[in-house]
Amino acid sequence: DTAVSQTPKYLVTQMGNDKSIKCEQNLGHDTMYWYKQDSKKFLKIMFSYNNKELIINETVPNRFSPKSPDKAHLNLHINSLELGDSAVYFCASSSTSGSTDTQYFGPGTRLTVL
Amino acid sequence: GNSVTQMEGPVTLSEEAFLTINCTYTATGYPSLFWYVQYPGEGLQLLLKATKADDKGSNKGFEATYRKETTSFHLEKGSVQVSDSAVYFCALLGSNYKLTFGKGTLLTVNP
Repeated sequence: DTAVSQTPKYLVTQMGNDKSIKCEQNLGHDTMYWYKQDSKKFLKIMFSYNNKELIINETVPNRFSPKSPDKAHLNLHINSLELGDSAVYFCASSSTSGSTDTQYFGPGTRLTVL
Repeated sequence: GNSVTQMEGPVTLSEEAFLTINCTYTATGYPSLFWYVQYPGEGLQLLLKATKADDKGSNKGFEATYRKETTSFHLEKGSVQVSDSAVYFCALLGSNYKLTFGKGTLLTVNP
């Protein structure tokens, strides 16, 4: 059973397009996250939702819009894709937003913008 | 703000060699500390963690001790295997609920 799953695994698209990445967790967690990993492997948090409420919103272009329809799902929609959006996007989840809770990561979505 | 500094790689070792990957942090309050591992083409997996000073996290032969006095959480393994080849990330979880990562250290173990 996959704990945190993401679709698609690979996404290749043209500049200017709009695309979505989906994430689902079956761990019963109530907090979910999106991270971006750049070409140098550096990981940075983008957003976090706790019980469908946005709690972390880093300095990310407003072309990126997260949506959490329920506690088990967190989607990321990206408008007007740019070359610099090419990266691996990781979803993660944890049991609460407390400071000791381990975040569990999905397998990642490799986005390539041409 | 919070930050994590880990030794730059790449690190190349022979099988059965001793491994140390240094990690130091800057944080307010009492963060939890983690090591994550990313195998080629895969996502991040939790390797070990420690939630308070002097705690030792351990898993798969890897160990790290939370040292508040030196603000460090160095990763060690006594005898590495080829299968340990991966990118290792040190991270801290602070009171702002954000997981802050180091830049990652690529480890290659040769037979």
